[in-house]
Amino acid sequence: DADVTQTPRNRITKTGKRIMLECSQTKGHDRMYWYRQDPGLGLRLIYYSFDVKDINKGEISDGYSVSRQAQAKFSLSLESAIPNQTALYFCATSDPGTSGDNEQFFGPGTRLTVL
Amino acid sequence: GNSVTQMEGPVTLSEEAFLTINCTYTATGYPSLFWYVQYPGEGLQLLLKATKADDKGSNKGFEATYRKETTSFHLEKGSVQVSDSAVYFCALRRGSNYKLTFGKGTLLTVNP
Repeated sequence: DADVTQTPRNRITKTGKRIMLECSQTKGHDRMYWYRQDPGLGLRLIYYSFDVKDINKGEISDGYSVSRQAQAKFSLSLESAIPNQTALYFCATSDPGTSGDNEQFFGPGTRLTVL
Repeated sequence: GNSVTQMEGPVTLSEEAFLTINCTYTATGYPSLFWYVQYPGEGLQLLLKATKADDKGSNKGFEATYRKETTSFHLEKGSVQVSDSAVYFCALRRGSNYKLTFGKGTLLTVNP
């Protein structure tokens, strides 16, 4: 079974709709991240969380919110989706205390299309 | 701020060709440097890393050396295979918050 899972894997929605992307991990890591990937732009950090009570904005947090429901779960919400939020979204986890080398482990991604 | 600049793609090679993907960075102090690989339809996987100057990271025949004097971390492989076709991302981590700064990615296609 995958260590970092994302649901849904694909989603098509309409402008103005609220949508939630979910991430779950079984690695026991404290730190979780949400990125979006756009062609030619690489990955950009949306939000990150170092533990259940710690949520931080990344470089492109506008239009997004997150919830860290438990150590293993980190959800990303688009309150009112717009077409330029069409992208591939990745969740990642890390725990330097375990890996010792700052590696981040990525989920398989959610492809979101906003019409 | 921190930034990573990597070679624009796409790169198309024949099997067994030599590969170089250039990566340079801007950061204060001594960042850790990474190469991640994204195979079609999958998430990113760590390919190799280096945490201090002159370190060489290596994995699956790929190598990259941390060159502080040229602020570079170029990815190389002596003989590519079709299975190496993927997008490659250079990244750095600076500071205690473990956030990664990624380059834009380079698409590599290897033809038989």
